[in-house]
Amino acid sequence: ETGVTQSPTHLIKTRGQQVTLRCSSQSGHNTVSWYQQALGQGPQFIFQYYREEENGRGNFPPRFSGLQFPNYSSELNVNALELDDSALYLCASSLDIYTWGESSGNTIYFGEGSWLTVV
Amino acid sequence: KQEVTQIPAALSVPEGENLVLNCSFTDSAIYNLQWFRQDPGKGLTSLLLIQSSQREQTSGRLNASLDKSSGRSTLYIAASQPGDSATYLCAAPNAGNMLTFGGGTRLMVKP
Repeated sequence: ETGVTQSPTHLIKTRGQQVTLRCSSQSGHNTVSWYQQALGQGPQFIFQYYREEENGRGNFPPRFSGLQFPNYSSELNVNALELDDSALYLCASSLDIYTWGESSGNTIYFGEGSWLTVV
Repeated sequence: KQEVTQIPAALSVPEGENLVLNCSFTDSAIYNLQWFRQDPGKGLTSLLLIQSSQREQTSGRLNASLDKSSGRSTLYIAASQPGDSATYLCAAPNAGNMLTFGGGTRLMVKP
């Protein structure tokens, strides 16, 4: 039990549609990140939010967008869905973003993910 | 740009064997490295977080080592059990805890 919950667990969308995935982080976790994991591959970083502001983005197009809310919940929105968007989408939260210094380093807690199939 | 590689991609062993999973990374300027476990169709569970000041971290039958100079980390699993069957992922963070993952090692432990 990581304290990170995601919804929905599974969904099927048609190419061109829009989807919103939701995540509820542990209370007090100011950082939330989203990852895309295609079948048989490692997760790929999409973007990260810290205190409701995006502070890092991976190699994903602008049709991938997000929001983080004060109540430690967040959303991942994907517009104009493509077949290649079919994947497991993982939300991860941690206390803070800073990992500087040898004594730092936050354990990152992942949710169970949302399986998206685009047909 | 950080790149993380895991070898082997898949591994099948009989129950009771000790085994080593390998992880290599290209940018050694990391402050920590994390190992995760992923069961089929599930999310990731953090196993071990190794700080750069540590060379090893242990949790039960798991031992992870980190050698920044060579860009390598290993996960040692002692006395493997069927319940250890899963995919094991290593991840190195860049600034701000954004993780770069390897492709994972799919482990099957046969009874």
